[in-house]
Amino acid sequence: NAGVTQTPKFQVLKTGQSMTLQCAQDMNHNSMYWYRQDPGMGLRLIYYSASEGTTDKGEVPNGYNVSRLNKREFSLRLESAAPSQTSVYFCASSAEPGTFIGYTFGSGTRLTVV
Amino acid sequence: SQQGEEDPQALSIQEGENATMNCSYKTSINNLQWYRQNSGRGLVHLILIRSNEREKHSGRLRVTLDTSKKSSSLLITASRAADTASYFCATDATGNTGKLIFGQGTTLQVKP
Repeated sequence: NAGVTQTPKFQVLKTGQSMTLQCAQDMNHNSMYWYRQDPGMGLRLIYYSASEGTTDKGEVPNGYNVSRLNKREFSLRLESAAPSQTSVYFCASSAEPGTFIGYTFGSGTRLTVV
Repeated sequence: SQQGEEDPQALSIQEGENATMNCSYKTSINNLQWYRQNSGRGLVHLILIRSNEREKHSGRLRVTLDTSKKSSSLLITASRAADTASYFCATDATGNTGKLIFGQGTTLQVKP
């Protein structure tokens, strides 16, 4: 029972490079989320997918795109990385809204943009 | 815009003491949740309290919710060194979407 798996765990990018952060869950959850965590800022929602085939912007979507590839996988893409995107990125999943069950988080991707 | 404000930002206590963390929020909620994050790790769900509940217990954890004051508290009793972590409150504030908004967290250090 892996839960939520994120890859890679660490990444260093040069400004302007692109990359995709991968996330997969094996709990048959409908909803998936991408957050970023910066020191003193808590977690901020980038994008979310309430169900397969749908995606919506969160609080800080600029500079990111997402793909809900299937029910298990939700990827986050940085098309042209900027130093302001240096952060720790967390993927999470949850069952149906209203089931009153908390999120399950991945272990994070630590991204540095130089 | 973050929903939750947590207080204190940092807390240091001795093993065996109780730790209390507070969370205030701005809008009506369906539920409020507490998470723990150990250094360099992902967040782990601790407990959820619904808007129609006032208190909830889980092991050494006690959560209260006061919707009239838009505030919640997390009490950890008989703390242990292993409780050293950051603690976050999160609110489900937008109907039934399940989209959580997190506070900035309280860093708890429990000294052995």
